Amino acid sequence: SQKIEQNSEALNIQEGKTATLTCNYTNYSPAYLQWYRQDPGRGPVFLLLIRENEKEKRKERLKVTFDTTLKQSLFHITASQPADSATYLCAGSNYQLIWGAGTKLIIKP
Amino acid sequence: NAGVTQTPKFRVLKTGQSMTLLCAQDMNHEYMYWYRQDPGMGLRLIHYSVGEGTTAKGEVPDGYNVSRLKKQNFLLGLESAAPSQTSVYFCASSLTSGSTDTQYFGPGTRLTVL
Repeated sequence: SQKIEQNSEALNIQEGKTATLTCNYTNYSPAYLQWYRQDPGRGPVFLLLIRENEKEKRKERLKVTFDTTLKQSLFHITASQPADSATYLCAGSNYQLIWGAGTKLIIKP
Repeated sequence: NAGVTQTPKFRVLKTGQSMTLLCAQDMNHEYMYWYRQDPGMGLRLIHYSVGEGTTAKGEVPDGYNVSRLKKQNFLLGLESAAPSQTSVYFCASSLTSGSTDTQYFGPGTRLTVL
């Protein structure tokens, strides 16, 4: 079945460092990948969308890559801050969005 | 703009009871969605709507019904609640297809079925 897989273990990063989250897809080839942020007790909030023909996309301190050979997207937060602590969700789509379970990111002061 | 709102925020039901979750959006979006989120799993689509008066099944529609009588509202009904329906329910909306467009989510409804 079509799957989006994200690391289920929390990622602990020191403040100021770059945090890198991984999203792998299997058994399909999404044309788009989206990244969302979810804080505890709240709904997801859209961050970035990248198309399969775009290798990289940036927004302020955020960067997303899309590697169709590795079937993977990487999500980077540079100069990380404690306020970046949240769960980050990846979703891939052709005609339907398939969601990953998310990776919890903890930025330590 | 309030964005996407959901009512209620919390609810506890007994097995076999029924209830309706209300979602409202003020962004004039065509597409609306109901998801459930369970621990360790990705969001799963229950039902969706591509416009007023239309509904369609998602990945996990069994045990749920929906209606979209007005463009701004999308209702999710549970006719006979079961413990397996204990979950957090999110409503979302998008201007165009959510596959390629930003989805805006509500704050969620935490439902417990005893």
